[in-house]
Amino acid sequence: QSALTQPPSASGSPGQSVTISCTGTSSDIGSYDYVSWYQQHPGKAPKLMIYEVDKRPSGVPGRFSGSKSGNTASLTVSGLQAEDEADYYCSSYGGRNNLVVFGGGTKLTVL
Amino acid sequence: EVQLLESGGGLVQPGGSRRLSCSASGFTFGSYAMNWVRQAPGKGLEWVSSIGGGGGIIKYADSVRGRFTISRDNAKNTLWLQMNSLRGDDTAVYYCAKGFPTRLFDYYMDVWGKGTTVTVSS
Repeated sequence: QSALTQPPSASGSPGQSVTISCTGTSSDIGSYDYVSWYQQHPGKAPKLMIYEVDKRPSGVPGRFSGSKSGNTASLTVSGLQAEDEADYYCSSYGGRNNLVVFGGGTKLTVL
Repeated sequence: EVQLLESGGGLVQPGGSRRLSCSASGFTFGSYAMNWVRQAPGKGLEWVSSIGGGGGIIKYADSVRGRFTISRDNAKNTLWLQMNSLRGDDTAVYYCAKGFPTRLFDYYMDVWGKGTTVTVSS
């Protein structure tokens, strides 16, 4: 069982927006802004898409945005494109004993 | 070009040991934290271990603490993961990932290797 809870699936049509949630606790997401999101295409290594809740590394399209409210972080993909179809994982600082925790992943389907 | 290349995976019997290596190039290796993350077949990502740039800070997931040891040699641009007392649930693709440092947190992961597969089975 993953430390962070994500919906197993999400979907949207090209051009639409979709939001993926990631629920933690007051010990991780609720207390720290060290939230990140990773995109993983089948058979490929993950790619960092968002860090520090809402910051995008160089090269990540502006269509990807992050936010946080309380114990829940969210990733929004606007203007969905076919290449956005992938698995998305949230991650957070998990405390001194478990430095990093991941969510179970959400499979995003572009209809 | 920043690159990470893992090696050392393979078939291991339960209770056995394996040493994974990650060779880094294209960046000043010793300036960055490094991480191991694994992914069991058909499952999600699981953080395994992290080590600070100088090697002084080392962290492990509860699931591997006491069995796995992370280490690095900055002169050789190499990261290792020594895995002992292997179990079936250690079967996974093991990725090494470079830390992406920010003002407050060094353990975002911005560069990943392609992974090396460890299968624990008799």
